[in-house]
Amino acid sequence: KAGVTQTPRYLIKTRGQQVTLSCSPISGHRSVSWYQQTPGQGLQFLFEYFSETQRNKGNFPGRFSGRQFSNSRSEMNVSTLELGDSALYLCASSEQRYNEQFFGPGTRLTVL
Amino acid sequence: TQLLEQSPQFLSIQEGENLTVYCNSSSVFSSLQWYRQEPGEGPVLLVTVVTGGEVKKLKRLTFQFGDARKDSSLHITAAQPGDTGLYLCAGVKYGNKLVFGAGTILRVKS
Repeated sequence: KAGVTQTPRYLIKTRGQQVTLSCSPISGHRSVSWYQQTPGQGLQFLFEYFSETQRNKGNFPGRFSGRQFSNSRSEMNVSTLELGDSALYLCASSEQRYNEQFFGPGTRLTVL
Repeated sequence: TQLLEQSPQFLSIQEGENLTVYCNSSSVFSSLQWYRQEPGEGPVLLVTVVTGGEVKKLKRLTFQFGDARKDSSLHITAAQPGDTGLYLCAGVKYGNKLVFGAGTILRVKS
């Protein structure tokens, strides 16, 4: 099976702009989670989608949103970008049994 | 407050040495996972331990889940430069919510 894919791999934006990141899960995986990873804060959970519904949400402001489509593909959106949003954004899909996460390579977002 | 405490935060050792990374919590987990992440890539699942007291071996890596299901350890024997990376533990709480530790950065020098 193909792994989790994320696009784009790298992105440079300026403050105030918005960005949309895309994730295609492993075929058959219905759960998709998003994480933000920074050197200072480590890996932080953003949200999880299962069958097009947000099932869990981390402690991030409303500028961070996501959605999942009927084919399990997912997007996350960050509006009104701030410098502190610069991070590696990771998407992971799961088969749910032990909630084992299969991560994509990430999108490196730089906000200038 | 970190629900899962990992120690040490950083480890730099010579090739051939042994090491242990710890993952501790006051919470009980239904299972626990270990991941390794290399620079520029996403974390890769190494193992899932499910039963209290369980020990799993993956070549030179030995994983243990505490009897009370609150802690875990990863022991690497005869470390190699290819073991370099960020090691993350993640506990699965009842209800299937995942909690990640802050990670241990391992550097193995040749």
